[in-house]
Amino acid sequence: EAGVAQSPRYKIIEKRQSVAFWCNPISGHATLYWYQQILGQGPKLLIQFQNNGVVDDSQLPKDRFSAERLKGVDSTLKIQPAKLEDSAVYLCASSQDLGGYNEQFFGPGTRLTVL
Amino acid sequence: AQKITQTQPGMFVQEKEAVTLDCTYDTSDQSYGLFWYKQPSSGEMIFLIYQGSYDEQNATEGRYSLNFQKARKSANLVISASQLGDSAMYFCAMREYGSGNTGKLIFGQGTTLQVKP
Repeated sequence: EAGVAQSPRYKIIEKRQSVAFWCNPISGHATLYWYQQILGQGPKLLIQFQNNGVVDDSQLPKDRFSAERLKGVDSTLKIQPAKLEDSAVYLCASSQDLGGYNEQFFGPGTRLTVL
Repeated sequence: AQKITQTQPGMFVQEKEAVTLDCTYDTSDQSYGLFWYKQPSSGEMIFLIYQGSYDEQNATEGRYSLNFQKARKSANLVISASQLGDSAMYFCAMREYGSGNTGKLIFGQGTTLQVKP
């Protein structure tokens, strides 16, 4: 079974530029998560989808971050314009469903550096 | 509000010895799950072990065991017979299962473990 795929793996941009990250979850997984992990900290949830609907985006900086999950499969996370403090690893995870115990499987992450 | 606290920023252990990584949590839910993940320098999050709040026995997975003390709200990870490959960042995380909860994971700050040869 293929794991969660993310691209690109690394990205370097200058502040005020825009950037997009892509995630392909495990086939059949209804729930998709985007986490932001700043260096030396634990991951923090940015947004969570159930199929193509948003379940939780309470910690997403909506003035600059946006995300979508078209057709309930792949997802894209965008930052526009980027700030220095957006430098982090962006982790995508998926799980079969929302309720009860459902293990979250993580992708390899995208490491973003904003100069 | 749910919170995870890992008070050990860094730990050292001699190869083949056991080590305990501390985790305390705070939640008002009666039903929740506790997870431990390993994050090597390559960056991927590797699931290690899970403990449900209603599980009566401590979880074990190979060399990993979880010392669950519900009254103290602690869920310490014990790694037995440490190996050089265990050197990594370790995260404790919690997920609430109560009504209205979305199942998101709340992570602690992490503990860096270094295994000495």
